[in-house]
Amino acid sequence: EAGVAQSPRYKIIEKRQSVAFWCNPISGHATLYWYQQILGQGPKLLIQFQNNGVVDDSQLPKDRFSAERLKGVDSTLKIQPAKLEDSAVYLCASSPGLAGGWGNEQFFGPGTRLTVL
Amino acid sequence: SQKIEQNSEALNIQEGKTATLTCNYTNYSPAYLQWYRQDPGRGPVFLLLIRENEKEKRKERLKVTFDTTLKQSLFHITASQPADSATYLCALENGNNRLAFGKGNQVVVIP
Repeated sequence: EAGVAQSPRYKIIEKRQSVAFWCNPISGHATLYWYQQILGQGPKLLIQFQNNGVVDDSQLPKDRFSAERLKGVDSTLKIQPAKLEDSAVYLCASSPGLAGGWGNEQFFGPGTRLTVL
Repeated sequence: SQKIEQNSEALNIQEGKTATLTCNYTNYSPAYLQWYRQDPGRGPVFLLLIRENEKEKRKERLKVTFDTTLKQSLFHITASQPADSATYLCALENGNNRLAFGKGNQVVVIP
């Protein structure tokens, strides 16, 4: 079974530039998550999709971050414009569980390491 | 406010000994608690899940306990090996198939 794919693996940009990350979840997984992991911290949920609908985006800084999951499969996360404090690893995860469910493990991709200069 | 606390200091342990990690939480009422392993440059990998009505769960050399009265989970690695060196993350299920992670605890197993 193929895992969660993410690209690019690394990205370096100047502040105020824009950047986009791509995620392809495990086939058949209805739920997709984007997390931000700052060095030395645990992953922090940014947005949760079920199929192509948003379940929770309460921690997404919507003035600069946007995400979509067209057709309920692949997803992209965009930052525009980037700030220095956005430097982090952006992790995508998928789960076979649905919103309202419990006890489902999440499968993580390798992440994209973003450096904002 | 809600908090999930894991020891920020790395745990250095001799090979063959048991490593024990603690996860304490406040202002949560999780029905489930999960543990993940994260290696440098990689995403977290699921290890174990325990329900609130389970006191203990085992998988090979791993053991997890969950005490909802103390609001604490303990994670044990028995007969530790250098390959067990990694960061271990505690995660509370927050409803809607959603996880809230602690910041992780690094384990270093010394040969």
